Amino acid sequence: QQQVKQSPQSLIVQKGGISIINCAYENTAFDYFPWYQQFPGKGPALLIAIRPDVSEKKEGRFTISFNKSAKQFSLHIMDSQPGDSATYFCAARSTNSGGGADGLTFGKGTHLIIQP
Amino acid sequence: GAGVSQSPSNKVTEKGKDVELRCDPISGHTALYWYRQSLGQGLEFLIYFQGNSAPDKSGLPSDRFSAERTGGSVSTLTIQRTQQEDSAVYLCASSLAHRNTEAFFGQGTRLTVV
Repeated sequence: QQQVKQSPQSLIVQKGGISIINCAYENTAFDYFPWYQQFPGKGPALLIAIRPDVSEKKEGRFTISFNKSAKQFSLHIMDSQPGDSATYFCAARSTNSGGGADGLTFGKGTHLIIQP
Repeated sequence: GAGVSQSPSNKVTEKGKDVELRCDPISGHTALYWYRQSLGQGLEFLIYFQGNSAPDKSGLPSDRFSAERTGGSVSTLTIQRTQQEDSAVYLCASSLAHRNTEAFFGQGTRLTVV
């Protein structure tokens, strides 16, 4: 019930291409879905987040698509750049007490490499 | 401070020794979280504090792990009798309030048990 499954584990995309990372969850109490970006030696930093009342959220080149019925959400990076090379984590949490884990439940991460 | 600060950045310790990891959250943040990041395993939630209290300690991996927070600010994660499987990056995060606000992470403490 607490698991968030993320794929792929690693991804190589050419500069200018679209990077797509997928996540699936099981706990229907989850109502907050952030994506974090982590560079080597640094802590994760919030990139973009979505709540299930919308199906898509876009911020610059980053878009989250959310499918509530399928319990899936994905991150799309348009016009991928070498500076986007990092590890990306999806996560989920219930913002209501009693809804499950007190902390964020993270996917296992995707190591993204953007080739020049 | 400007961000979440963790110390030390790196810690190498001998198996069986005790270690203390420190987290200094963003000023005014009432919620504080500890996570463990192992290679290829993502981030594992350990414990959270609301103020000085930790309502649920069930995420701690074993009774060798303990954490405290004093004055609603600095938190210490203590690992007693360290084992090689404790080697990981320990991350701390803080947020204005529990559950419904963004969590900001520190840079982590890389613990290596030899």
